[in-house]
Amino acid sequence: QQPVQSPQAVILREGEDAVINCSSSKALYSVHWYRQKHGEAPVFLMILLKGGEQKGHEKISASFNEKKQQSSLYLTASQLSYSGTYFCGTEIGNNDMRFGAGTRLTVKP
Amino acid sequence: DTAVSQTPKYLVTQMGNDKSIKCEQNLGHDTMYWYKQDSKKFLKIMFSYNNKELIINETVPNRFSPKSPDKAHLNLHINSLELGDSAVYFCASSRRSGGELFFGEGSRLTVL
Repeated sequence: QQPVQSPQAVILREGEDAVINCSSSKALYSVHWYRQKHGEAPVFLMILLKGGEQKGHEKISASFNEKKQQSSLYLTASQLSYSGTYFCGTEIGNNDMRFGAGTRLTVKP
Repeated sequence: DTAVSQTPKYLVTQMGNDKSIKCEQNLGHDTMYWYKQDSKKFLKIMFSYNNKELIINETVPNRFSPKSPDKAHLNLHINSLELGDSAVYFCASSRRSGGELFFGEGSRLTVL
């Protein structure tokens, strides 16, 4: 029931771009994105509520294709501070937020 | 002021013991959650509550018993701890169903 994320891990050099994908077999009404740094709690990045909507947060943006039941997170010109594990979350029912398995992003100098 | 606070942050205990983790949020949110994060970083929902009422109980062994005395607090009691219970337990809250989740710092439980 949880969404499926890909890839599992990404290694980048500073300044490079990355895309993280999230898909679901169930109809999606919204998609959340969170980032968790090592030893810390997940932190909210953004929520996408409408099909085809794109939102941005600094140099991190996301798209949501409701029809395809997919969302993608775009990280452009990555910085060292972007390192961490990224989770997408989808609500499959009332008060029932499920997360993907996470994508571990490592940005190297 | 910490928005979602959990205590204790670390727990080391023997198999068979009983332990509790407490969670409090000062955001005025209606919904609270417990998630378990294993060594592979997978965030698995355990329970959700809305205004003190249990909404989700996700196939968690009945050794785990949540309690919400009021909508600002959600505690987790675990009986007869097993090795497989070792994980980081996160409490989270949201204003409403589907809203942004605010996570506590996590409670790392190690069962020996």
